[in-house]
Amino acid sequence: GNSVTQMEGPVTLSEEAFLTINCTYTATGYPSLFWYVQYPGEGLQLLLKATKADDKGSNKGFEATYRKETTSFHLEKGSVQVSDSAVYFCALSGGTDKLIFGTGTRLQVFP
Amino acid sequence: GAVVSQHPSWVICKSGTSVKIECRSLDFQATTMFWYRQFPKQSLMLMATSNEGSKATYEQGVEKDKFLINHASLTLSTLTVTSAHPEDSSFYICSASRAGGMDSPLHFGNGTRLTVT
Repeated sequence: GNSVTQMEGPVTLSEEAFLTINCTYTATGYPSLFWYVQYPGEGLQLLLKATKADDKGSNKGFEATYRKETTSFHLEKGSVQVSDSAVYFCALSGGTDKLIFGTGTRLQVFP
Repeated sequence: GAVVSQHPSWVICKSGTSVKIECRSLDFQATTMFWYRQFPKQSLMLMATSNEGSKATYEQGVEKDKFLINHASLTLSTLTVTSAHPEDSSFYICSASRAGGMDSPLHFGNGTRLTVT
């Protein structure tokens, strides 16, 4: 069945450091891929998405490229801020609204 | 602002009692809502798909009689944990889509932390 694997956290970085959170997936067909973010005390928010191979999703300085050859959708940001501290979830969908989530990765950014 | 409201945000109940969690779409109609459960340090697990005016579709391994879902209107879905036990303690999250299909992003509630003593 479909599944998502993402790196365990917490990821601890200093402000302005480069961020990578790895995400790989297993799926039949051609899923859509997502990154969701959950800030402290808030619900999940869609950060970015990609719906086909080689697509790059981007938002708020974050980027992720849909790599079918490596079944990956790694999240990157060139310079993190303290306000980026949150839990990040990688997810996939097989063509419906039903989402399969990874375990989440907590990011802590210190000044 | 929040487009999906979930209530309560936390609840503590005694073993054997039932707890109802509400999920409301605030400014749009949602024919479909989803209920997820999250254990500590684990991913969100889809429990069921709630369809307005019809029976919910449960994922494999989810007890239909324990987790009752009602989607009586286009803006409200409820999850009732019946005869709760300590192992039901978890974080429950709902989501809703404005129009369905992957062009419309899912909006999530803030979640409900249930503790059964």
